Amino acid sequence: AQTVTQSQPEMSVQEAETVTLSCTYDTSESDYYLFWYKQPPSRQMILVIRQEAYKQQNATENRFSVNFQKAAKSFSLKISDSQLGDAAMYFCAYRSAARGTGNQFYFGTGTSLTVIP
Amino acid sequence: DTGVSQDPRHKITKRGQNVTFRCDPISEHNRLYWYRQTLGQGPEFLTYFQNEAQLEKSRLLSDRFSAERPKGSFSTLEIQRTEQGDSAMYLCASSFSNRWQFFGPGTRLTVL
Repeated sequence: AQTVTQSQPEMSVQEAETVTLSCTYDTSESDYYLFWYKQPPSRQMILVIRQEAYKQQNATENRFSVNFQKAAKSFSLKISDSQLGDAAMYFCAYRSAARGTGNQFYFGTGTSLTVIP
Repeated sequence: DTGVSQDPRHKITKRGQNVTFRCDPISEHNRLYWYRQTLGQGPEFLTYFQNEAQLEKSRLLSDRFSAERPKGSFSTLEIQRTEQGDSAMYLCASSFSNRWQFFGPGTRLTVL
């Protein structure tokens, strides 16, 4: 089974600064998707950004961008100009793109991000 | 609201009782997933439906757990003879084919 590792249980950042959250994964597949989800306290999971493994260009979504290193199996999330509303638990997730599978998500253990005013 | 909804949001039960949770996916989504999330962990896959067919089940889904999606729309997850180890957040997600999944708010189960 695929595994996703988030080695930073907690991170903090000053408001308006930039922070990078790390994620590595292990897979033998060549075609897959990677995601970052945000889970605010007591609220539901929200998709932040996604990356298709076949694309070399790093995905960007407003203040959120990723650094996807396929050979290194690394998928970090950079949050620029951090805002108080960015405070949440962030989960990195992997999903196979293979046909005939349920395409279930494999999640990391999460990184709790605190934004300091 | 056209997102994924789950009911109830919170459930407290005594050990040994049965509980049932409901998930209503986004209407045009044909795939529905159940996950379990314990404190400090990421969600773990339990089972998945494509339309009304249950196509995949995790080894985490013991024989005390059963899930249905009778008409390919809403789904129910039942836990029989609950144990304290069943205490967790149960998340439902839906997607259209193999596109990305949208999550519901979850049902938090506490087994006393």
